[in-house]
Amino acid sequence: AQSVTQPDIHITVSEGASLELRCNYSYGATPYLFWYVQSPGQGLQLLLKYFSGDTLVQGIKGFEAEFKRSQSSFNLRKPSVHWSDAAEYFCAVGATSGTYKYIFGTGTRLKVLA
Amino acid sequence: DTGVSQNPRHKITKRGQNVTFRCDPISEHNRLYWYRQTLGQGPEFLTYFQNEAQLEKSRLLSDRFSAERPKGSFSTLEIQRTEQGDSAMYLCASSPLGSRNNEQFFGPGTRLTVL
Repeated sequence: AQSVTQPDIHITVSEGASLELRCNYSYGATPYLFWYVQSPGQGLQLLLKYFSGDTLVQGIKGFEAEFKRSQSSFNLRKPSVHWSDAAEYFCAVGATSGTYKYIFGTGTRLKVLA
Repeated sequence: DTGVSQNPRHKITKRGQNVTFRCDPISEHNRLYWYRQTLGQGPEFLTYFQNEAQLEKSRLLSDRFSAERPKGSFSTLEIQRTEQGDSAMYLCASSPLGSRNNEQFFGPGTRLTVL
């Protein structure tokens, strides 16, 4: 069955520290992959996406993610976290056929210490 | 170029009442999706329209839920006899048919609170 796992429910980092959020997926082929950020009470904002090609993807706000086929992972990274990055982060897999629906992970809540 | 819009943004209702939400996708986007996000969870797929045809419904969509897209443009999601468990954020997304990778564009969501 198709699924997305975000193993870390909560992560706390100090401002200026580096960040890595983990995402593992289960899918029959290479899926489309996305990272979204959501502030409390707000909608989803797309950070970055992977469809094919270069496995290191650059996104907005200084985020990047690396697709590793052998590990079925698509981890999100940022070299230096800002206090405004505190939010919830969702990894999603996009089906590559049929309805092309998305399957989301359960999210990782990021807290940033000043 | 306007994005996906949803109305209302917030809805508070009493248990047992019916509610209807509206989604206006990006113009000329043929694909339209509804997702539901409960507190502390990621969004879950509810249903998919291609133009006016509803092509897939999740098992999450009970008999109390109905969605329409009558002219292939805007869509409505109706919940009858609401229950407290229906409290959630309802998200709509759209994408153009024939796009190579089907990137979905999400609306701001409608937050439903059932008292």
